[in-house]
Amino acid sequence: AQKVTQAQTEISVVEKEDVTLDCVYETRDTTYYLFWYKQPPSGELVFLIRRNSFDEQNEISGRYSWNFQKSTSSFNFTITASQVVDSAVYFCALSGVNNAGNMLTFGGGTRLMVKP
Amino acid sequence: DAGVTQSPTHLIKTRGQQVTLRCSPKSGHDTVSWYQQALGQGPQFIFQYYEEEERQRGNFPDRFSGHQFPNYSSELNVNALLLGDSALYLCASSLWGPPGNTIYFGEGSWLTVV
Repeated sequence: AQKVTQAQTEISVVEKEDVTLDCVYETRDTTYYLFWYKQPPSGELVFLIRRNSFDEQNEISGRYSWNFQKSTSSFNFTITASQVVDSAVYFCALSGVNNAGNMLTFGGGTRLMVKP
Repeated sequence: DAGVTQSPTHLIKTRGQQVTLRCSPKSGHDTVSWYQQALGQGPQFIFQYYEEEERQRGNFPDRFSGHQFPNYSSELNVNALLLGDSALYLCASSLWGPPGNTIYFGEGSWLTVV
């Protein structure tokens, strides 16, 4: 069975602060994929990043960065210099190698509120 | 390039009724999945269609059924609606194949059962 845990249900920061969203996962698969999605109030899940289990390099995209640590089964997401537009619910998700059709197992999400 | 489109965006139904939700996948995608997202929770996988067949199914009762058409679009049907079926229903599209393909989501259909 696969499981994704996002222990932080809600985080509130002031604009320009850095914030890290935690994600811990469980899977028996040796090959798997991890995703982060952003969900604004409109409801659409916006794809942010995909990482496979063999690539532990950290990735940076503008103000966003991701830290994948296989040893601790974590895939954390950091927003640097947060902005009000970053306010949304963020989901971490997992897809295992046996899911040929890419079924995603989601965490419960972290609501991020960035105050001006 | 059109993304994933869903209709209707909002609807209200009465307990016991039936509902049909529709989805058109992103251009070039052949696989459609449906997810249910209750308020304050993460999306839960309902089922997935490829080549007009249900390929995988999550832990949902038979009241939830679906269909995929030759043009890859899909419908989600829910019979005998319960209050607990109130949720955001998200359609996701991707390419069939090895796991890891990027999955794109639509804006969802907000269903309220009263």
